[in-house]
Amino acid sequence: SYVLTQPPSVSLAPGQTARITCGGENIGIRSVHWYQQKPGQAPVLVVYDDDDRPSGIPERFSGSNSRNTATLTISGVEAGDEANYYCQVWDGNSGRFVFGTGTNVIVL
Amino acid sequence: QITLKESGPTLVKPTQTLTLTCTFSGFSLSTSGVGVGWIRQPPGKALEWLALIYWNDDKRYSPSLKSRLTITKDTSKNQVVLTMTNMDPVDTATYYCAHSAIAVAGTFHYYYGMDVWGQGTTVTVSS
Repeated sequence: SYVLTQPPSVSLAPGQTARITCGGENIGIRSVHWYQQKPGQAPVLVVYDDDDRPSGIPERFSGSNSRNTATLTISGVEAGDEANYYCQVWDGNSGRFVFGTGTNVIVL
Repeated sequence: QITLKESGPTLVKPTQTLTLTCTFSGFSLSTSGVGVGWIRQPPGKALEWLALIYWNDDKRYSPSLKSRLTITKDTSKNQVVLTMTNMDPVDTATYYCAHSAIAVAGTFHYYYGMDVWGQGTTVTVSS
């Protein structure tokens, strides 16, 4: 089955750039969606189709996808960005959505 | 404005069947391309996709749970119902429903992400 692997955590200071990776076999040929989940809250879609942002999502959030790695980039990270982030793709082979393992972004 | 809200029991016993209802507003499940999905999250763990139903009654299930899941829709009531049979303590989780969509062009299918989520409902499986 298709597996998406993310680093468990990323720690950085305010103002730095966070790069959260999502590894999967040939993920570059799939459309990747990214979700932000703060403690006790439902997930929020922050990037869809690799690099598009829903309305209301700051431009600080951007995405890229190539070969075996998709990346969510948060520029100028703020304390309010502290959350778990999940990538997601549709796996046509198994006919299901797959979520990544999740990355906890910690703002020091 | 699209909103979704999950409802159902907070506690079920092992072997029982869980029935969850997602009541939504701001869109219609009779509109071409529209879908509603279910996702769950055990305490402290990652998200797990469960099932999806589309406007044309097309359904998708997680292969690992397919034998236990049934998803249905009631377009007139703006509701989607998920049933999960033979509940086990490992099924303890917060269950979310979410709005989604699909675009179809010939044989090509594009599956949009979940752009609006409900607040979630916590289900505990215990005797």
